Amino acid sequence: GENVEQHPSTLSVQEGDSAVIKCTYSDSASNYFPWYKQELGKGPQLIIDIRSNVGEKKDQRIAVTLNKTAKHFSLHITETQPEDSAVYFCAARGMEYGNKLVFGAGTILRVKS
Amino acid sequence: NAGVTQTPKFRVLKTGQSMTLLCAQDMNHEYMYWYRQDPGMGLRLIHYSVGEGTTAKGEVPDGYNVSRLKKQNFLLGLESAAPSQTSVYFCASSQTGGGVGVLTFGAGSRLTVL
Repeated sequence: GENVEQHPSTLSVQEGDSAVIKCTYSDSASNYFPWYKQELGKGPQLIIDIRSNVGEKKDQRIAVTLNKTAKHFSLHITETQPEDSAVYFCAARGMEYGNKLVFGAGTILRVKS
Repeated sequence: NAGVTQTPKFRVLKTGQSMTLLCAQDMNHEYMYWYRQDPGMGLRLIHYSVGEGTTAKGEVPDGYNVSRLKKQNFLLGLESAAPSQTSVYFCASSQTGGGVGVLTFGAGSRLTVL
């Protein structure tokens, strides 16, 4: 079945710097890759997603890139702000469990001001 | 618009006790899911439902049961709680299935089993 690995587990950056979180997946048939942000005490919320027929997608300060050959995708946050501090989860749509999402272990991002 | 509401938010159980977590959504979503979140393990799917009256097993279903008697509600039951079930539980719903539909999550229910 699908397996998603996420790195790093924790990431500290200075306000204004960029942050990059990387994920790899195992199932070459996976075709949908969302990123969720979880703030303290809340449930995860979708921030950006990408489908396998697209190599890159941007939304203001966040972007996601996908390399299907290498089976990895990354989240890029530019000009980080304190409110970007949260736990970020990547996910891939696996072929098991009715094509449900398989999540990575999460990355704790701390933006220091 | 409340979205996805989970009750209770916190609960402490003794080993062997039973309990039910309730999830309610007001978005008329067809699909509903129960995940558990553990440190270093991300979100793992316990059970899910593709419509009223249906349920299916996810990645870690053992020790849990679910019911979807009404479209807006999805219940997660623990018949005989074990310390290994100490976790934060998240309910989610989506308009369509799998990764195509955007998941809307509840705020979570923290369960401690002593």
